[in-house]
Amino acid sequence: ETGVTQTPRHLVMGMTNKKSLKCEQHLGHNAMYWYKQSAKKPLELMFVYSLEERVENNSVPSRFSPECPNSSHLFLHLHTLQPEDSALYLCASSQALGQGVYEQYFGPGTRLTVT
Amino acid sequence: AQSVTQLGSHVSVSEGALVLLRCNYSSSVPPYLFWYVQYPNQGLQLLLKYTSAATLVKGINGFEAEFKKSETSFHLTKPSAHMSDAAEYFCAVTSGSARQLTFGSGTQLTVLP
Repeated sequence: ETGVTQTPRHLVMGMTNKKSLKCEQHLGHNAMYWYKQSAKKPLELMFVYSLEERVENNSVPSRFSPECPNSSHLFLHLHTLQPEDSALYLCASSQALGQGVYEQYFGPGTRLTVT
Repeated sequence: AQSVTQLGSHVSVSEGALVLLRCNYSSSVPPYLFWYVQYPNQGLQLLLKYTSAATLVKGINGFEAEFKKSETSFHLTKPSAHMSDAAEYFCAVTSGSARQLTFGSGTQLTVLP
C-alpha cells in the first residue's frame, strides 16, 4: 500500500448504529486530519492530530469521536448520526505541524450515507 | 485570519483551449498557497504549491500558477486543455503559523470535445 488509504470506501448506516472509519498513511508523516466534504459546501476541517496529540477540534458534534493510536493510523468513530452527516469523509496526512509548512496528502475518502 | 475565494464555481473550455481558474486569497501574513484537484469519487491530489520561492510555480499535468502579491491572486493555468483535466479544482491557503489549510469552495472544470 502506498500513500493514504481509507476503509471502508462506502458506508450506509442507520441513525442508531455505531461504526468506525479507518485511515492509514504510509508516508512517514506524523500529522493527520479528518475533513468532511458535503455537496455544495467547502471542505470542513474536523480534527487535527500532530504527533498523536489532538491539536484542533473545530466545533464538531460529539457524535464524531476521533482516535489516533499512532502516527500511521487515524480513526473516526461514529454513533447516533443524523441524515445531514451524510458526506464524503476525507483523511489527510502531512509532516508534523510547527516544522515548516508541508502539503497535505489525501486518501480517497469514505462516502457515508446515514439513513 | 485567512480566506480563499475561487471565482466561478463552474468553468467550461474546449479541448485544446487555455484553462484559467481564478483564486484570490486573504492573509495577514505571507501566505503559502496550494492547488489541489479532485477527480470523481477520489480524494484531493496536490497539483502545485507556492512557498515563497519562485512566483511562477509549475505543477503536474502541465499546470502552473503565478503568485501575484499586488493582486492577492494565485490563478491556475494550463495552455491546452485535455479531456482528462475535467475535475474539481481547489485553491487553499495557509500561513507559517497556521495549523490548517483554508480551502476555497472549488471550481468544476468541464472540457468540451
